Amino acid sequence: AQTVTQSQPEMSVQEAETVTLSCTYDTSESDYYLFWYKQPPSRQMILVIRQEAYKQQNATENRFSVNFQKAAKSFSLKISDSQLGDAAMYFCAYRDSGGGADGLTFGKGTHLIIQP
Amino acid sequence: GAGVSQSPRYKVAKRGQDVALRCDPISGHVSLFWYQQALGQGPEFLTYFQNEAQLDKSGLPSDRFFAERPEGSVSTLKIQRTQQEDSAVYLCASSLGGFSQPYNEQFFGPGTRLTVL
Repeated sequence: AQTVTQSQPEMSVQEAETVTLSCTYDTSESDYYLFWYKQPPSRQMILVIRQEAYKQQNATENRFSVNFQKAAKSFSLKISDSQLGDAAMYFCAYRDSGGGADGLTFGKGTHLIIQP
Repeated sequence: GAGVSQSPRYKVAKRGQDVALRCDPISGHVSLFWYQQALGQGPEFLTYFQNEAQLDKSGLPSDRFFAERPEGSVSTLKIQRTQQEDSAVYLCASSLGGFSQPYNEQFFGPGTRLTVL
């Protein structure tokens, strides 16, 4: 079974600075998808960014980018120019690419605090 | 457009009661997922529907949990004889494609917070 590990329960960053959230995963598959989801307080979980394992180029979405290291099974999220609205729980998630009826496998999450 | 909605948002049940949690996915979305999120944890997969077919229920913790999506749109998660360990937030998510499109974004509802006393 696949597992996702987020080793940082909480991170804090000054507004406008850059922060990196860590994620490692374990799988025997060669092709899969990785996701970062954001869960603001009392609000719905939303997709931040996603990466296909067979693509070597790291995904980027505006201020959000990932550092995908397939050999190390590492998938970190970098948030540049942090804003107060970025404060939330961030979850790393995994899904096999072979299709199938299972859902996402999530890590335990990292609570991101933005200091004004 | 309307997103995924869930009702009720909060539910308090006495141990042993039955509860029913409703999910209204985005119109036209083929896939529907249920997750359970315990306090301080990430969501854990419970079950998956492609249209009205329940293709995977491997994550349901016991036979007290039952889910249905009879017409391929609204889904209900039912928990019989609730126990304290069932206390959690139950999240519903939908996505446009079927199980052969695992890359599709899952759109989540706000969740139902179940507290069993």
